[in-house]
Amino acid sequence: SQQGEEDPQALSIQEGENATMNCSYKTSINNLQWYRQNSGRGLVHLILIRSNEREKHSGRLRVTLDTSKKSSSLLITASRAADTASYFCATANAGGTSYGKLTFGQGTILTVHP
Amino acid sequence: DGGITQSPKYLFRKEGQNVTLSCEQNLNHDAMYWYRQDPGQGLRLIYYSQIVNDFQKGDIAEGYSVSREKKESFPLTVTSAQKNPTAFYLCASSIRADYGYTFGSGTRLTVV
Repeated sequence: SQQGEEDPQALSIQEGENATMNCSYKTSINNLQWYRQNSGRGLVHLILIRSNEREKHSGRLRVTLDTSKKSSSLLITASRAADTASYFCATANAGGTSYGKLTFGQGTILTVHP
Repeated sequence: DGGITQSPKYLFRKEGQNVTLSCEQNLNHDAMYWYRQDPGQGLRLIYYSQIVNDFQKGDIAEGYSVSREKKESFPLTVTSAQKNPTAFYLCASSIRADYGYTFGSGTRLTVV
């Protein structure tokens, strides 16, 4: 079952602009993670935000988490052509039999034009 | 240099054949996972293992089997019972469930 739903499905911007991707989920979570996937490759872990955190930064990445709305956003600032990839959010459910699994969203395809 | 290795990169399966995808990690991670990705889609969990000699079914386990005899290895067998096996298969590992995953580079399986 898909826990996360991402919006938009595709995003096309110019180099230097900011890119914002959103993720909504349905059940209580332990943490939410963002991953990047270049075409035909494996996923690369970008950032993890725990359920008791509201905002986290890593380089040009900024992630927010609103547990009351069950949503998260990933902001990439000053985008570069090399940021072109698919971005996925993934949730780790809080406790129970789901402990140990990540459930992934459908992803946002980001294209950054030089 | 630690990492997770999947092989082969490309695999072709004839109708009615079983095939095994390899996944090896030298990260000393306890947990390992197999996901399937279809074109333009997210990842769906096939099987996962949190410790040696133990594994659990994911959301789409039918037609697949796994073993976890060693901490480093978590092979996935796609059996003839899997009616639509053409997909990109991704293996991952993690220290703990609430840490990020490290992914392999994937195996693309095609039925011919």
